[in-house]
Amino acid sequence: AQSVTQLDSQVPVFEEAPVELRCNYSSSVSVYLFWYVQYPNQGLQLLLKYLSGSTLVKGINGFEAEFNKSQTSFHLRKPSVHISDTAEYFCAVSESTSGTYKYIFGTGTRLKVLA
Amino acid sequence: NAGVTQTPKFRILKIGQSMTLQCAQDMNHNYMYWYRQDPGMGLKLIYYSVGAGITDKGEVPNGYNVSRSTTEDFPLRLELAAPSQTSVYFCATTGTGDSNSYEQYFGPGTRLTVT
Repeated sequence: AQSVTQLDSQVPVFEEAPVELRCNYSSSVSVYLFWYVQYPNQGLQLLLKYLSGSTLVKGINGFEAEFNKSQTSFHLRKPSVHISDTAEYFCAVSESTSGTYKYIFGTGTRLKVLA
Repeated sequence: NAGVTQTPKFRILKIGQSMTLQCAQDMNHNYMYWYRQDPGMGLKLIYYSVGAGITDKGEVPNGYNVSRSTTEDFPLRLELAAPSQTSVYFCATTGTGDSNSYEQYFGPGTRLTVT
């Protein structure tokens, strides 16, 4: 069965500092990987996704993530954060071979950017 | 385009009452989903649908029912509300066969309190 682990429930970081939000997954088949962002009192919106091809994926708002198959990881990074990046971030996985389009979400990481 | 819309935004129910959460989409997506989000727990899939007339259970279906009579609408029914159903409910869609395949689009959510 698939699972997604986001080990850090909260990450405080100072403005303009780099940040990495960690995501590890477990699956016996090939997967699609996603990062979503949720601002307070809003729904989730897609930051970036990995379907195939280059393992370094660039998304919106200056975020990027790298798919590492051997370590089953898909960590999210940003070289310089802004106050406006304060939000909750969710990693998600979907099996690419099942055709069922079902998604498993991690428990989320709350990024708090400090002035 | 409105995307994914949900009504109501907020609702307070008494134990044992029933209600229907509405979800509508104008993106002509086949796949629709209902999730619940509890603090620190990420998103849990309640039910999903792969097209009109077809629905299936997710991880946490107990206490809920769904129907999908049209491509656009996917209502979630709560019968005999319980305090354990206090949560934020999100509807989402996924399209297939285009450049945005596999990406989920989320509604703004319905915040439900059962007392």
